[in-house]
Amino acid sequence: KAGVTQTPRYLIKTRGQQVTLSCSPISGHRSVSWYQQTPGQGLQFLFEYFSETQRNKGNFPGRFSGRQFSNSRSEMNVSTLELGDSALYLCASSKAGSNEQFFGPGTRLTVL
Amino acid sequence: GESVGLHLPTLSVQEGDNSIINCAYSNSASDYFIWYKQESGKGPQFIIDIRSNMDKRQGQRVTVLLNKTVKHLSLQIAATQPGDSAVYFCAENIFPGAQKLVFGQGTRLTINP
Repeated sequence: KAGVTQTPRYLIKTRGQQVTLSCSPISGHRSVSWYQQTPGQGLQFLFEYFSETQRNKGNFPGRFSGRQFSNSRSEMNVSTLELGDSALYLCASSKAGSNEQFFGPGTRLTVL
Repeated sequence: GESVGLHLPTLSVQEGDNSIINCAYSNSASDYFIWYKQESGKGPQFIIDIRSNMDKRQGQRVTVLLNKTVKHLSLQIAATQPGDSAVYFCAENIFPGAQKLVFGQGTRLTINP
């Protein structure tokens, strides 16, 4: 069974631009969560989607948004990029009713 | 607020020795805890989990201990191998039924030959 996949793996943007990251969960998993990982703040929860609905949200500004499609694939968008948005963005999927989250390899975003 | 922290940011052990990584959590309502291993360039990999109604859970070469009285979690790795070198994170599910994990800062485990 294929694991969680994320595209692109690496991305370089400049301040003020916007970016869209994609996540394909493990087949059959309906929950997708997004996390931001930085050296200073560690792993921080962004939001979680289940059945196309945002179910939980972390403490990030409105510039961070996401959505989930009917096939459970998810995208997250960051608008008006800031230098501090440089991070590894991780996506995790889980089965309905299970707490175990499986992570993808992440997208490394660099904002110049 | 909720937080999960680690006592030691780095840990070096000799190959073949046992290692113990510790973690403190602050949310007494958390019902589920997980240890993840993250190697360079990869996403976190699930190691072992434990529910709040348990004190101990064993896997292959790993054991997780949960002490709810002092809100402490530990990961024991037996007979460490070079492949165990990684950053280890504890995580806490602060909303039962939700998929919202709060992670600790991580401990870098280095295995010396």
